[in-house]
Amino acid sequence: NAGVTQTPKFQVLKTGQSMTLQCAQDMNHNSMYWYRQDPGMGLRLIYYSASEGTTDKGEVPNGYNVSRLNKREFSLRLESAAPSQTSVYFCASWGQGRRTEAFFGQGTRLTVV
Amino acid sequence: QQQVKQSPQSLIVQKGGISIINCAYENTAFDYFPWYQQFPGKGPALLIAIRPDVSEKKEGRFTISFNKSAKQFSLHIMDSQPGDSATYFCAASRRGSQGNLIFGKGTKLSVKP
Repeated sequence: NAGVTQTPKFQVLKTGQSMTLQCAQDMNHNSMYWYRQDPGMGLRLIYYSASEGTTDKGEVPNGYNVSRLNKREFSLRLESAAPSQTSVYFCASWGQGRRTEAFFGQGTRLTVV
Repeated sequence: QQQVKQSPQSLIVQKGGISIINCAYENTAFDYFPWYQQFPGKGPALLIAIRPDVSEKKEGRFTISFNKSAKQFSLHIMDSQPGDSATYFCAASRRGSQGNLIFGKGTKLSVKP
């Protein structure tokens, strides 16, 4: 049981380039989330999807788009990367495991130069 | 406005000692208060969580104390071990959107042997 899988693990982009961060969960959870983690800032919610076919903005959505491709997959797209988007990105799903909780992926470390 | 304030930023404890991390929140609509543990290079993982209908919850060496009137909650780690060295995040979320977590900024705990 893989849980939440993110790809890639590391990425370096030049300013203005675009890329898509991929996330997949195999726990049959309805809700999925994208967070970013910056030093000394904790994790901040970018976008979320409460169920397949729906997406909503979180606290810091500017510069990002998302797609809930199906129940398993939730992708995050940077259309024109900026240095301020240098961060570690975490995907999560919410649902029942041993407890009802948020399950996080291993993260994608993105550097924009 | 920071909705969840966490202190201290860093903490050094001797092996066998008690580690205490505190959080305060603003929004009285919050009704789910988890603590996450994060090791370097990994995603956060749920440690323990509490809802406001109880004042304390204990799981092994980890205890959450909750003070609804003061809008504060804390994590106590008894008999701290070097393996507990990690970054700890408190978080909060509202009823009906409990996966939309608002995180504190984190506490880096070092347990010295």
